[in-house]
Amino acid sequence: TQLLEQSPQFLSIQEGENLTVYCNSSSVFSSLQWYRQEPGEGPVLLVTVVTGGEVKKLKRLTFQFGDARKDSSLHITAAQPGDTGLYLCAGASNAGNMLTFGGGTRLMVKP
Amino acid sequence: DVKVTQSSRYLVKRTGEKVFLECVQDMDHENMFWYRQDPGLGLRLIYFSYDVKMKEKGDIPEGYSVSREKKERFSLILESASTNQTSMYLCASNQQGSEAFFGQGTRLTVV
Repeated sequence: TQLLEQSPQFLSIQEGENLTVYCNSSSVFSSLQWYRQEPGEGPVLLVTVVTGGEVKKLKRLTFQFGDARKDSSLHITAAQPGDTGLYLCAGASNAGNMLTFGGGTRLMVKP
Repeated sequence: DVKVTQSSRYLVKRTGEKVFLECVQDMDHENMFWYRQDPGLGLRLIYFSYDVKMKEKGDIPEGYSVSREKKERFSLILESASTNQTSMYLCASNQQGSEAFFGQGTRLTVV
C-alpha cells in the first residue's frame, strides 16, 4: 500500500491569510492530483502534477511536486471564505491504475 | 457533461442484510473505484477494477465484494452488512493516470 500523509488535518484561518497544505509519502508516484470536496458532493480535480519539481498555478493556488515525486504542497494566497472545503491529494501508482488518497485537510476560512 | 452516477444518495439497511451499491459511468473509462470516506480517515480504497471482470483489492476489502460485468457499471456488494460499514461510499472512474471523476456518494447507515 502506498501511503499519503496530509498535514495539517484541520486549518481554521481568517480571510486574507496565506496557508500551505502538505502531502508526503515514502513512495514515488507517477503523478499527483489535488482535489477539493464540498459537503454532499464528490471530490473535484483541481490540478495534476506529473514532473518532479513542477510548479503549477491556478489563480491564488500554487501546487508543487517534489523533485523525487514523493511529496507535494498546495499554497493558497489571501484565502477567501469560498476556499473553505476539504482538500485531498491523490497519488497515481507507477502502473497508473491505482489512485491512493491522503487523509484530507479540512480548511475553514472565516470572513 | 461527463457523469458518474451512484444509484442511491441515502440508504438505511439492517445488520445482516445483503446490500448492493451500483455505479455507472458514461465516459468509457477503463478504471473504476470504490472508496469509503469516514471523518478523519480520508478516502480509503475498497476495490478497484481496471477492466471488465477484472478487480483488485484495495486497502480495506474485508466484508466487501465487487462485480464488473460491463465496462460502464461497477457494483459494490456488502455480503452481510454490519454497523461498522456505516459510511459514505464514493465511486470514481478514470482513464489510466488521468483525472478521477466521482459520483455524489451514497451515505449508508446500517442499523
